[in-house]
Amino acid sequence: GQNIDQPTEMTATEGAIVQINCTYQTSGFNGLFWYQQHAGEAPTFLSYNVLDGLEEKGRFSSFLSRSKGYSYLLLKELQMKDSASYLCAVVDSNYQLIWGAGTKLIIKP
Amino acid sequence: ETGVTQTPRHLVMGMTNKKSLKCEQHLGHNAMYWYKQSAKKPLELMFVYSLEERVENNSVPSRFSPECPNSSHLFLHLHTLQPEDSALYLCASSQALDGTDTQYFGPGTRLTVL
Repeated sequence: GQNIDQPTEMTATEGAIVQINCTYQTSGFNGLFWYQQHAGEAPTFLSYNVLDGLEEKGRFSSFLSRSKGYSYLLLKELQMKDSASYLCAVVDSNYQLIWGAGTKLIIKP
Repeated sequence: ETGVTQTPRHLVMGMTNKKSLKCEQHLGHNAMYWYKQSAKKPLELMFVYSLEERVENNSVPSRFSPECPNSSHLFLHLHTLQPEDSALYLCASSQALDGTDTQYFGPGTRLTVL
């Protein structure tokens, strides 16, 4: 079967750095998405990785290792507004999106 | 604001009621999706439309009936629901029907079935 694993919940401190991991076992791979979802709001696109390596976008970076079936989202200089759920999703060989259950990130002052 | 709107935002209904959820996208996209989001579970894809034609129905019970009258609008008609259908229902759109296309989501309808 196809599976995406990410921690259910994480807590971090304002101003710190946090890394949210995502591991996957899917039939094929055509890319990996990260979305952010604030409570009661729409998921919004953060990043898309299809090649190995790190991609940086301001305070957020996303890393992919296809050989390890692993990705992480790195958030730097955490702000209270970063409290949200972070969803990992993989595009499989049929170009279907396989979703993880999401990681709820709690930022404390 | 993602360019995808959904109404109503909240809905409480009894098991014998009939109601409809509405989604509208202002992005000129060709593909639209209905998802069910339950707490601590992955998003469940329910229906996919491409150019107003249904292309996928992931074994969804018949008490959920989708309708796509044009490429900008998507409805989900609800009838004789069960309490376990209580969830957040999300609509999304993408430029094309390709998993690598970014999907843009609406804020969802929080549905409670009593």
